[in-house]
Amino acid sequence: DVVLTQTPPTSSATIGQSVSISCRSSQSLLHSNGNTYLHWLLQRPGQSPQLLIYLVSRLESGVPNRFSGSGSGTDFTLKISGVEAEDLGVYYCVQGTHAPPWTFGGGTKLELK
Amino acid sequence: EVQLVESGGGLVQPGRSLKLSCVASGFTFSNYGMNWIRQAPGKGLEWVAYISSGSSYIYYAETVKGRFTISRDNAKNTLYLQMTSLRSEDTALYYCARRQLVDYWGQGVMVTVSS
Repeated sequence: DVVLTQTPPTSSATIGQSVSISCRSSQSLLHSNGNTYLHWLLQRPGQSPQLLIYLVSRLESGVPNRFSGSGSGTDFTLKISGVEAEDLGVYYCVQGTHAPPWTFGGGTKLELK
Repeated sequence: EVQLVESGGGLVQPGRSLKLSCVASGFTFSNYGMNWIRQAPGKGLEWVAYISSGSSYIYYAETVKGRFTISRDNAKNTLYLQMTSLRSEDTALYYCARRQLVDYWGQGVMVTVSS
C-alpha cells in the first residue's frame, strides 16, 4: 500500500502568515493515464473533512484562492498564502492513484501561534 | 445542495453486528461511487470500503475484509455498511463520502464497540 507522510505534524502560524505543508508518497502517484490522484482535505474542529484541492493543484469550487497545491511524482505541497482564522484545523493528503486502498496522510494540524 | 446523512451507529458489544445507512440527496446518487471512511477517536482518516455506482466494483480495506459488507439501494438513494464480528478497534466515527474524489462527506455516525 502507498504510504503518505505529511510534515510537519503540527504547524503554528499567525494570521496573515504563509504556511506550507508537505506530503511525500512512498511511490510515484503519476497514474498511467497521465493524472496524479493526490488531493488535499481540511477538517476543521468538530467538522467533517472537506475537499480543498484535487489532482494536485485544482481548487475545489468555493475554496479561497489563498490555497494552492503543487508537486509531482512523490512530493507534494499545500500552501496557504495568508492564513485566516477559518483555516485552522487538520489537513490531510489522500491518494487514489494506487487504489484500492485509498490512503491518507497522517495529518497536519494548523494552529494559531 | 449535496447532503449525506449517516445513521445507525451506537454502542455494541464485541462480536456483535451493526448496520449503518447513509441517505444521499441533492445529486443523482445512482451516478456516483461511494465510500465509507472512518476516524478513530483522536486519530486520522482510514478508508474502509468503496462501491461503484452500479455495485459492479466493491473494495474493502484489509482490516475489515470478510467482516464488513458495503451495499447500496439506488432506488432509495441509500448506502449501507453491514458490520459483523465487531472489535474494539472498529470504534470510530464512520463517514460516507461521495466518489473516489471524496468531494462530499456526511457528518459521521459514531460506532463504539465495548463490553
